[in-house]
Formats: sequence, C-alpha cells, structure tokens
Amino acid sequence: DVKVTQSSRYLVKRTGEKVFLECVQDMDHENMFWYRQDPGLGLRLIYFSYDVKMKEKGDIPEGYSVSREKKERFSLILESASTNQTSMYLCASSFGRGITDTQYFGPGTRLTVL
Amino acid sequence: GNSVTQMEGPVTLSEEAFLTINCTYTATGYPSLFWYVQYPGEGLQLLLKATKADDKGSNKGFEATYRKETTSFHLEKGSVQVSDSAVYFCALSEMNRDDKIIFGKGTRLHILP
Repeated sequence: DVKVTQSSRYLVKRTGEKVFLECVQDMDHENMFWYRQDPGLGLRLIYFSYDVKMKEKGDIPEGYSVSREKKERFSLILESASTNQTSMYLCASSFGRGITDTQYFGPGTRLTVL
Repeated sequence: GNSVTQMEGPVTLSEEAFLTINCTYTATGYPSLFWYVQYPGEGLQLLLKATKADDKGSNKGFEATYRKETTSFHLEKGSVQVSDSAVYFCALSEMNRDDKIIFGKGTRLHILP
C-alpha cells in the first residue's frame, strides 16, 4: 500500500515564526503536492513538484515556499507564519509520468497560528 | 478553465436511505473523474474513479457513472450506513496536460442511526 506520512498531526505556532511541514512518501512517486483545506473553500493547491529540485506554483503560493531535495520528501515552509495561515494542510503524491493520475494523501497537519 | 461543481451540504440521511451526491464538471479534452472520501480526522482517500465516458466506478457499495453528454459524475449508494459519514469530494484530472487534480468543495454527509 502507498503510504504518505506527515510529520505532525497538530501544530501550534506563533505569528512570525518559521514553520516547516514535512511530507514523506514511500512509493517512489514522481509527483508531490501541498494543499490547504478550509471550510467552504475545499482543497486549494499551494505548490507541487514533478521531480527532485523542481517546484511549480499552485493556486495560492503567496506566503509559502517548498523544498524537494530528495524524491521521497516534500517540505512546505511558512517563512513568517500569520494567523490567516491557520488551516489543515494536506500532502499528496502520485506516480506521474502519465502512468496514473490518482493522488494519495497523508493524514493532514492541522496548523494553528496564534 | 476546468472546474468541478458538487452539491453543497451538509446532507443528512437516516441509515439505509438511498444516497445521491450530484457532481458536474467543465473540462476541455477527456478528463478522468474521481470521488474521494475524507473520514473525520483523516486525509483524503480515493473512493472510486472512471477514466472514460460511460465507465462506471464502484467501491464499498458506492457507484458513479461517467456521463459525457451531461458532464456529470453523480455518486450513489443504495443503503447508507452510519460509518459512511464523511466528506465526499468530486474531482477531475486531465492526465495528458499535467498531473494536477481539480477538486470540488466537498459535501459533508451525516448518517443518523
């Protein structure tokens, strides 16, 4: 079974802190994605990556950056956390290379910024 | 651009009732269509998918048929259980363009015992 893990289930940070959210997948997937999920807004794509050291902006990249130094790991970085970044963050991965488009999700990290 | 519209919730049903959650889409080309489910406190997981017109995806008693003529992919289940309480997301992707998936906003389903 595909497994996507996220470093924390719950996280509380203060405004202005630098925040790292880590995601690891164990299926040699090419693609990895970061979403945020908010009530009434569904899932919104923040950043994605098709390969190591590659990154593409999603629909709402402002205030975020990402890092993909290894194929299995995709990190989301909040350079200076703000209260409007309080949300559920979901990581996902997929095979890519035109094999299949099904995405596999981690359990999510609920981030609260005070 | 591509988009997905699904019925707003919450939807509340009694156990053993018939379920329909409507989903329509707008897309160029020939998208794959998905239903994902999110149980309380968890991430999303794939429930079913269909990759071409008239395909029927099915899993755990849920079904959805890819209707190109009506651009729809409605989710149905004949007899729901309390354990089906979750948020359901309709989604599409066009694999030949990129590997992104476009999600609807989700429909929360409550099943009463």
